[in-house]
Amino acid sequence: QSALTQPASMSGSPGQSITISCTGTSSDVGGYSYVSWYQQYSGKAPKLMIYDVSNRPSGVSNRFSGSKSGNTASLTISGLQAEDEADYYCSSYTSSTTVIFGGGTKLTVL
Amino acid sequence: EVQLVESGGGVVRPGGSLRLSCAASGFSLDDYGMSWVRQAPGKGLEWVSSINWNGGNIGYADSVKGRFTISRDKAKNSLYLQMNSLRAEDTALYHCARGAVAGRWAYGTDVWGQGTTVIVSS
Repeated sequence: QSALTQPASMSGSPGQSITISCTGTSSDVGGYSYVSWYQQYSGKAPKLMIYDVSNRPSGVSNRFSGSKSGNTASLTISGLQAEDEADYYCSSYTSSTTVIFGGGTKLTVL
Repeated sequence: EVQLVESGGGVVRPGGSLRLSCAASGFSLDDYGMSWVRQAPGKGLEWVSSINWNGGNIGYADSVKGRFTISRDKAKNSLYLQMNSLRAEDTALYHCARGAVAGRWAYGTDVWGQGTTVIVSS
């Protein structure tokens, strides 16, 4: 199964809002409310930022929000900060009882 | 403190086997779905396998199906990944991770170990 489609890189200035997209199919993103988003700094384990499309784990800043429309999920980061510079991955449950990740988006804060 | 610690990685020849372990502390493995996720050097995250909170539902990536087996030991509060017929493309850092919500599959994972490195090379 092919990976979910994310932009390879994005950039934004401090204070701005950015939205990272994650496109799949009706067999994964579009078919289930089980989309998650992870933040990963170089050399570190991933950190869960959003689960079940739009739920934030305890301790995650409310500047991070998630949504879904059809086969595309989105992660929005508002009030961009330097510490948000990292790689971001989406994932989704699939109809084959598997999980699929996106290819990752490298976010640069200018 | 909730924690996951992986072990068992190493260097193995193509065709060989390894068994990864993931020791959980601060929570009961039986209450959560668990996953193995790997990351090859310089590459993105790749899901490997997951097991339901009660062990009744297991899934594998196509790339490892038939070669890898996920299991758990309630008494040791540990998760395992038996890896057979290893290939060069299995070389990666392997993380175990806990499902974000108790009592279901690991749809999203909120606790991650630091990982154990597997290198498959002749």
